[in-house]
Amino acid sequence: QVRLQQSGPGLVEPSQTLSLTCAISGDSVSNTRAAWTWLRQSPSRGLEWLGRTYYRKQWSDEYADSMKGRVIVNSDTSKNQFYLHLISVTHEDTAVYYCGRDQGALNVWGQGTTVTVSS
Amino acid sequence: DIVMTQSPKSLTVSLGARATINCKSSQNVFSRSNKGNYLAWYQQKSGQPPKLLIYWASTREVGVPDRFSGSGSGTDFTLTINNVQAEDVAVYYCHQYYSPQHTFGQGTRVQV
Repeated sequence: QVRLQQSGPGLVEPSQTLSLTCAISGDSVSNTRAAWTWLRQSPSRGLEWLGRTYYRKQWSDEYADSMKGRVIVNSDTSKNQFYLHLISVTHEDTAVYYCGRDQGALNVWGQGTTVTVSS
Repeated sequence: DIVMTQSPKSLTVSLGARATINCKSSQNVFSRSNKGNYLAWYQQKSGQPPKLLIYWASTREVGVPDRFSGSGSGTDFTLTINNVQAEDVAVYYCHQYYSPQHTFGQGTRVQV
């Protein structure tokens, strides 16, 4: 059974960088048939896809156009984890953040991390 | 981006009745190369992450009751819940993964 366990801070100050971790069990971040994805959900923006990383013959990443320049998704194969880094956060980045396994559809989700941006 | 529009926003059905949720994409999400619609449906209960119900528009995920079914092609899709049960109270979302920029509908709340 594949599980994704999220960790990271629940409170981030404006202008700082939000970093979240998603630990994978039961699968490998190097699985060539999966992409490892970050999303978020807020009342104002609904479910929003942020970006993903995946390995085929080399590592690749893709990002939502609305987030380009502010978001980085990367991985650590030795820890079997992947990460979200969101730069220069504002109050509008307050949301529940999810990691997920993308095999076309998102068939495994992390438990969610509520992140509040506030000083 | 492909815009996903769901209707209705909210739906109240009686126990044992049928619920029908519609999803319209602003662009075709059918791929001629693999003859598949890049469309999924999720169920999200309060305080939980979304759960995959249907992918490729009509394929049920393992473990999903057969009262859930998906249909449609191209730009128009439907999620049908037959014989609605109390545990089906949730918000349902459609999701297109045709474009690398994945997008979701705004959700339909189902109450019983």
